[in-house]
This record gives sequence, C-alpha cells and structure tokens, in this order.
Amino acid sequence: SAVISQKPSRDICQRGTSLTIQCQVDSQVTMMFWYRQQPGQSLTLIATANQGSEATYESGFVIDKFPISRPNLTFSTLTVSNMSPEDSSIYLCSVDGQKSEAFFGQGTRLTVV
Amino acid sequence: GDSVTQMEGPVTLSEEAFLTINCTYTATGYPSLFWYVQYPGEGLQLLLKATKADDKGSNKGFEATYRKETTSFHLEKGSVQVSDSAVYFCALSISSSNTGKLIFGQGTTLQVKP
Repeated sequence: SAVISQKPSRDICQRGTSLTIQCQVDSQVTMMFWYRQQPGQSLTLIATANQGSEATYESGFVIDKFPISRPNLTFSTLTVSNMSPEDSSIYLCSVDGQKSEAFFGQGTRLTVV
Repeated sequence: GDSVTQMEGPVTLSEEAFLTINCTYTATGYPSLFWYVQYPGEGLQLLLKATKADDKGSNKGFEATYRKETTSFHLEKGSVQVSDSAVYFCALSISSSNTGKLIFGQGTTLQVKP
C-alpha cells in the first residue's frame, strides 16, 4: 500500500487568491491524480499528473485554473487559482496501487470566503 | 460515456439490519469495480473490489459481486453496526493499468442507529 500525505489539511482563503496543495507519497509512483469533492457530492477527477510531462486535464478543468506540478515520482502540487466561493471543496490526491486499487490522501478541505 | 449510478441516500438502518446499496454502471470496456468508504472527517478507503465478471469482493463483512449481465455491483452486509455509518462510493476503472483514474457514483450515506 501507499501512504499519501496532503498539506494543508484545511484552509480558509479569500476570494481572488490562490492556494497550492501538496501531495507526498512514500514510494515512487508513475501517475498521481487530483480529484475534487464538492459539498455533498461525489468525486470528480480534475487531472492526471505524470512526471516529466504536462498534466492531462479532464473535461471542464483547465490548466490556468488548476495548474499542476510533478517534479518527481513522489510529489505533486495542485494550485487552485483566483479562487471563488464555488471552489470550496475537498481536494484529494490519489495514486495507483499495484493490485488494481487506488490510494487516497486525507484530502484538503478548502473554504473560500 | 462511462458512468456509475448509486441508489439515493441517506439510508437509515437499525443495528444488525441487512444492508443493500445498489450500484449499476455503464462502461464501454471491461471495468474493474470498487466500493470506497468515507468515514466522517476522514479520507477515502478502499472497502472491496472486483476485477472481472462473477468476482466477489469482500471485506469487513461487506460483499459485492460483479454482475456483467446486469451491469451491477451491489454492496451488501448481513448485519450492520453503528460503526458502519459512513458514505459509500461505488466506482469503476476502465483501465487495468491505470486504476487511479476512477469514475465515482454519487455516494450513499448510511446511518446506523443503535
């Protein structure tokens, strides 16, 4: 199994500002994934982060709003840019496991005021 | 496109009652299927999985069988406990080499009363 640490665990931010969320894995992984869980709703994949290449974004998500970095095989960051209250969500990082399963971080609970 | 549909919640049961949470899917390929659980204030944890038709996943008294003919993966438990109160997510992955890319159902909140 993989142990995933996310920082911060929660934050309250002013609208118009940006927040960078960090995701650290205790082992090297090829792909890392960023999800959003809006209040009372399910998880939606934002993008797939590959080391050494640009992230691949899902429909409805763009790099200008959610820039992602993947500097090495154990670390990734997601930035939520120019935030509005609609960005208030839980943001989760996940990685592929070796036995057909995914592991998730604890999530970052973001509130935009 | 690929999708997962779960029964609407919340589901409220008394302790020791039988639980069923329905999950159906639509997929163009041969997906792997998962149930994830989110306890209050915590992250997602894998509960069980099945990677091919007729496989049964099981864990902590929960079971689900991959039914290709009905495109379903219903979650069951014979006797629920208060500690099972959580949000349950059904999910699929269409790539065996990329199981981190998941499509989730909307989640079903289970509340078990003593």
